[in-house]
Amino acid sequence: AIQMTQSPSSLSASVGDRVTISCRASQAIRNDLGWYQQKPGKAPKLLIYAASNLQSGVPSRFSGSGSGTYFTLTISRLQPEDSATYYCLQDYNYPWTFGQGTKVEIK
Amino acid sequence: EVQLLESGGGLVQPGGSLRLACVGSGFTAFSSYGMNWVRQAPGKGLEWISGIKSRGDSTYYADSVRGRFTISRDNSKSTLYLQMNSLRAEDTAVYYCAKSDVYSTSDWGQGTLVTVSS
Repeated sequence: AIQMTQSPSSLSASVGDRVTISCRASQAIRNDLGWYQQKPGKAPKLLIYAASNLQSGVPSRFSGSGSGTYFTLTISRLQPEDSATYYCLQDYNYPWTFGQGTKVEIK
Repeated sequence: EVQLLESGGGLVQPGGSLRLACVGSGFTAFSSYGMNWVRQAPGKGLEWISGIKSRGDSTYYADSVRGRFTISRDNSKSTLYLQMNSLRAEDTAVYYCAKSDVYSTSDWGQGTLVTVSS
């Protein structure tokens, strides 16, 4: 199975900061990667699909990049409502695998 | 509006069985989409556990559930199933169903809690 190594596991940043989360795949996965945001008690919400495509309705401060084995999610100007846990998911092949998650806290 | 509604969760003893269902509505052609089950143990991250192609002719499993869980679908009822046998304490989690198209897995249910305990 493809392993997804996500970092950092947690971060604390101020409103307006630029935040970057990374995911590294144990083998090349083209651009078959999505980024999800999850708030406590809620289902995950898709932010980015195919590594760099913004899901409809998601604020433009979220962006994704990468291909092959290294991917990043960037929040350009952190907002209070961005406090959540973020996950990457590779759907290149089965079994699909998630990163371990990054908990983003607002200072 | 796309809706995925899971049901069937509850408390079950170790070694027991449970069948989850996920009914899709608000979109056309349930039969056009792959479907997946993802779970989340209390305080833990997300774990993909099973997927099924649109016509149900191909199924996939995580090692953690292979041989114990069976995914299936009834496209005439817009319903996805997960038959869970030989349940263990470590299967305790919220179980989500999720709908996939070619590019993304964009729609998720609200989840159903399965608790395996004596």
